[in-house]
Amino acid sequence: ETGVTQTPRHLVMGMTNKKSLKCEQHLGHNAMYWYKQSAKKPLELMFVYSLEERVENNSVPSRFSPECPNSSHLFLHLHTLQPEDSALYLCASSQGLGQNYEQYFGPGTRLTVT
Amino acid sequence: AQTVTQSQPEMSVQEAETVTLSCTYDTSESDYYLFWYKQPPSRQMILVIRQEAYKQQNATENRFSVNFQKAAKSFSLKISDSQLGDAAMYFCAYRIHNDMRFGAGTRLTVKP
Repeated sequence: ETGVTQTPRHLVMGMTNKKSLKCEQHLGHNAMYWYKQSAKKPLELMFVYSLEERVENNSVPSRFSPECPNSSHLFLHLHTLQPEDSALYLCASSQGLGQNYEQYFGPGTRLTVT
Repeated sequence: AQTVTQSQPEMSVQEAETVTLSCTYDTSESDYYLFWYKQPPSRQMILVIRQEAYKQQNATENRFSVNFQKAAKSFSLKISDSQLGDAAMYFCAYRIHNDMRFGAGTRLTVKP
């Protein structure tokens, strides 16, 4: 609906697994973002990419590893996660990095760590 | 720490009535943008309205308007003539440079 797609929509993984979340935007945007949305907590900005370069890393544990191979795709590689990492992971994109740019969000990946 | 506070976890409004959602924020910066996003159940988050901190005039988008009080660091959202489709989680947010901060959200219920 917003031009940002995420796969998978749901993911259950054990603490020793390695998985990846994928985000794709069809809007020709230059900036992409990963957010974590936990129940009853504010959205937390995790990573910001602009033109495939990481420009922001908000003290995210190293068990989360982002990758941006081109301006249309963003990945979040997961390994040795903890149960508290269970959350909705949202991807977003914007035309540029400017403060005024609207962010377009994907539907999210519901992650459960068992 | 820079934070955004939405003091109303849940709000309810009668269809066709008006409701105001509260938001306060804390920052020492003077140049920033404020946003209200809407997240309908099981649907993607979308922008409702935005406000540049340097503009004194309150932003309006059809039935949605804001009351921006910069000195008080307050940014409330008013929804007029509420419709059933307005039912959603509403998030207040501000952006300073590359940092985007969100509130915990207000769940709005619209009663027919």
